[in-house]
Amino acid sequence: DVKVTQSSRYLVKRTGEKVFLECVQDMDHENMFWYRQDPGLGLRLIYFSYDVKMKEKGDIPEGYSVSREKKERFSLILESASTNQTSMYLCASRRAGAGLETQYFGPGTRLLVL
Amino acid sequence: GQSLEQPSEVTAVEGAIVQINCTYQTSGFYGLSWYQQHDGGAPTFLSYNGLDGLEETGRFSSFLSRSDSYGYLLLQELQMKDSASYFCAVEDNQGGKLIFGQGTELSVKP
Repeated sequence: DVKVTQSSRYLVKRTGEKVFLECVQDMDHENMFWYRQDPGLGLRLIYFSYDVKMKEKGDIPEGYSVSREKKERFSLILESASTNQTSMYLCASRRAGAGLETQYFGPGTRLLVL
Repeated sequence: GQSLEQPSEVTAVEGAIVQINCTYQTSGFYGLSWYQQHDGGAPTFLSYNGLDGLEETGRFSSFLSRSDSYGYLLLQELQMKDSASYFCAVEDNQGGKLIFGQGTELSVKP
């Protein structure tokens, strides 16, 4: 059974805090992605990674950083959380070179920044 | 840049057929895909069109016309459990990343 897990379903943080969102996949996928989802805006790509130690900026990387030290784990870091980062964060993984049917999403982390 | 447009809401009754359209502007892409997301859940893959034409998977079909920059998702024999948000997405051919539309919320009424 394929699985992408995220460390928290709900998270409440204060402005200025450093926030870590963890994503783990057990499918040995090379590609991993972080999206944020906001009403009326769909899913927007923050960062992605094609392999360990590799990272690429997506469409909205400002205010975020990522870490991929192990193949199965892709972390999203909010260096100094702000209220406009209140959102649903979705992680996804996909086998390199394979079809989109191999891309799986995690359950999401709903982050509230006060 | 890439952008996709889809209706924000669609309402239909059980047993009916509904079509969710997606128009896009993109400099180049591999194909158009569709995802379903129930409230509070993760998006799940529904279908993919790499070539023009119709792809059928059970009650769901998806269509792509590259010349018209247009695609749609067709849901037949609607069931209450089909109430969800539906997203179209294109796969960028310069990196393989997905660009999503803003989503269409489908409400199926009895």
